[in-house]
Amino acid sequence: TQLLEQSPQFLSIQEGENLTVYCNSSSVFSSLQWYRQEPGEGPVLLVTVVTGGEVKKLKRLTFQFGDARKDSSLHITAAQPGDTGLYLCAGAPGNQFYFGTGTSLTVIP
Amino acid sequence: SQTIHQWPATLVQPVGSPLSLECTVEGTSNPNLYWYRQAAGRGLQLLFYSVGIGQISSEVPQNLSASRPQDRQFILSSKKLLLSDSGFYLCAWTRDYQLYNEQFFGPGTRLTVL
Repeated sequence: TQLLEQSPQFLSIQEGENLTVYCNSSSVFSSLQWYRQEPGEGPVLLVTVVTGGEVKKLKRLTFQFGDARKDSSLHITAAQPGDTGLYLCAGAPGNQFYFGTGTSLTVIP
Repeated sequence: SQTIHQWPATLVQPVGSPLSLECTVEGTSNPNLYWYRQAAGRGLQLLFYSVGIGQISSEVPQNLSASRPQDRQFILSSKKLLLSDSGFYLCAWTRDYQLYNEQFFGPGTRLTVL
């Protein structure tokens, strides 16, 4: 059973465009994390959201946790080639972490 | 600060050979430790996790096993590798903030079984 569904799976955009990645579940999570992974490397934690409705900003990246703590979104403003990578969301109802299917983003210069 | 190491970084093994991947964490004590496998460009599949020495939980039945001989050491093993064992193996540990946890990953091991 896949608890976390991410959309879109693949995204290719031009430099300077905006984009949003979604992470959805029917389950409630106590927290949700977003990671970025580059080829051949381990995922790097970008942010953790804990409170329903919470919004966090990391430079050009905006993360939002749904009011019911079942979903989250990642919005990137004015994408740069350095944003290219695999974006993963993960929810942790307990000791285990459940990962989304991932969104592969390519930003074309 | 905490760091997590994995080795080897890459490995090419013939079918039927044994496997041993090692993960160690520095700068923390009694961490929860995890082994994941990742197919190319996709999400992570949890293989094993451990909450303490000698305590292993298996999520997916397969020909892999895990052991935790020391507090900050986690080992992934196999007696006989299959072609389907090829993939990118990631070790992770969690930081406990009481109300929530955060997970941090090692650099990974690329395993190719021929």
